[in-house]
Amino acid sequence: NAGVMQNPRHLVRRRGQEARLRCSPMKGHSHVYWYRQLPEEGLKFMVYLQKENIIDESGMPKERFSAEFPKEGPSILRIQQVVRGDSAAYFCASSPWSGKGQYFGPGTRLTVT
Amino acid sequence: DQQVKQNSPSLSVQEGRISILNCDYTNSMFDYFLWYKKYPAEGPTFLISISSIKDKNEDGRFTVFLNKSAKHLSLHIVPSQPGDSAVYFCAASGETSGSRLTFGEGTQLTVNP
Repeated sequence: NAGVMQNPRHLVRRRGQEARLRCSPMKGHSHVYWYRQLPEEGLKFMVYLQKENIIDESGMPKERFSAEFPKEGPSILRIQQVVRGDSAAYFCASSPWSGKGQYFGPGTRLTVT
Repeated sequence: DQQVKQNSPSLSVQEGRISILNCDYTNSMFDYFLWYKKYPAEGPTFLISISSIKDKNEDGRFTVFLNKSAKHLSLHIVPSQPGDSAVYFCAASGETSGSRLTFGEGTQLTVNP
């Protein structure tokens, strides 16, 4: 049973480019969460999605960031016009229901040059 | 507003001894608490959790204690092993926060052989 998969593992973007981060939840999991970890900090919640629905986006920056979890395919976190401050590790987690057990992927390390 | 705090950024213990990691929270609506372990360049791995209706939960070498009146929880690892060396995060969720987890800043545990 494969765990949560994220790709790419490392992503380098120049300022102003777009970054697309993908997350495939564990088999049977229909709830996906995105967290961001800035250097020397803990993980900060960004957004919680179920298939085709955004349930809670209270942690998402108001501009440039968007997320989706389509009926088919992985969840996508999209960052438009990246800036240096977007450099961080982005972790996706999944759970089988809206409960407490969240299982994390290995993360995508975004570097903005 | 740091609702979950881990005041010790690092902890060093000898192999075979007990490791005690501490976590404090301020939001009295949190009712579920988790500990995650994280190695460099990997995602957090779930260790153990506790509901607010309990004050102790044990799983092998890991025990979590919850003191609701003090809004404090701790993770005990005994005996500690060198492979336990990692960053440990406590996290919390509750009715008002929905499914999202609020993380502490992490404590780097080093177990010396």
